[in-house]
Amino acid sequence: DTGVSQDPRHKITKRGQNVTFRCDPISEHNRLYWYRQTLGQGPEFLTYFQNEAQLEKSRLLSDRFSAERPKGSFSTLEIQRTEQGDSAMYLCASSSTAYEKLFFGSGTQLSVL
Amino acid sequence: QKEVEQNSGPLSVPEGAIASLNCTYSDRGSQSFFWYRQYSGKSPELIMFIYSNGDKEDGRFTAQLNKASQYVSLLIRDSQPSDSATYLCAAYSSNTGKLIFGQGTTLQVKP
Repeated sequence: DTGVSQDPRHKITKRGQNVTFRCDPISEHNRLYWYRQTLGQGPEFLTYFQNEAQLEKSRLLSDRFSAERPKGSFSTLEIQRTEQGDSAMYLCASSSTAYEKLFFGSGTQLSVL
Repeated sequence: QKEVEQNSGPLSVPEGAIASLNCTYSDRGSQSFFWYRQYSGKSPELIMFIYSNGDKEDGRFTAQLNKASQYVSLLIRDSQPSDSATYLCAAYSSNTGKLIFGQGTTLQVKP
């Protein structure tokens, strides 16, 4: 399978716990994006990487969110001290530098109880 | 004003008809535009992209771009019930390096 892979598919956690999600992009893609999507809304930009460099982070993200892409390959998104408002689908996408066609993974559905 | 705006719908068309989905964007620096289809509970799937003014056709789909009017549209000919989904319009700007999505338009194709 050469598509974008995300793990886990579903995560249920209690308020206040930390969670971490993983994304493996398409191997030849050097750009990796994280988006968040809630019901009835389009994907909301969170952050993106070119290789291992994090080039932009949304102002909507609080300090509880952090993302890494340590060797320019897979990426992790961590949410500390989760809140009920963090419940959403977290989508990862990758692209090559040309034309910016993004290909999405299946997403991680987070439910904070 | 949202950066990318779509009518949330639902847009309902009979099977076999042409569905017309519209989108406007505010960033004049946007260079490329994308249409994604999203089925309920699934992730977005790229169906069309367009960079230049005019029309681009791919099978039953036609994307239209008018940069002067900051307007993008997607036409789906011979609509099928399997086309029933949410269609997301997205605009990319190299100034920001971000792909920004609209809220999506829900399309219902009735047999």
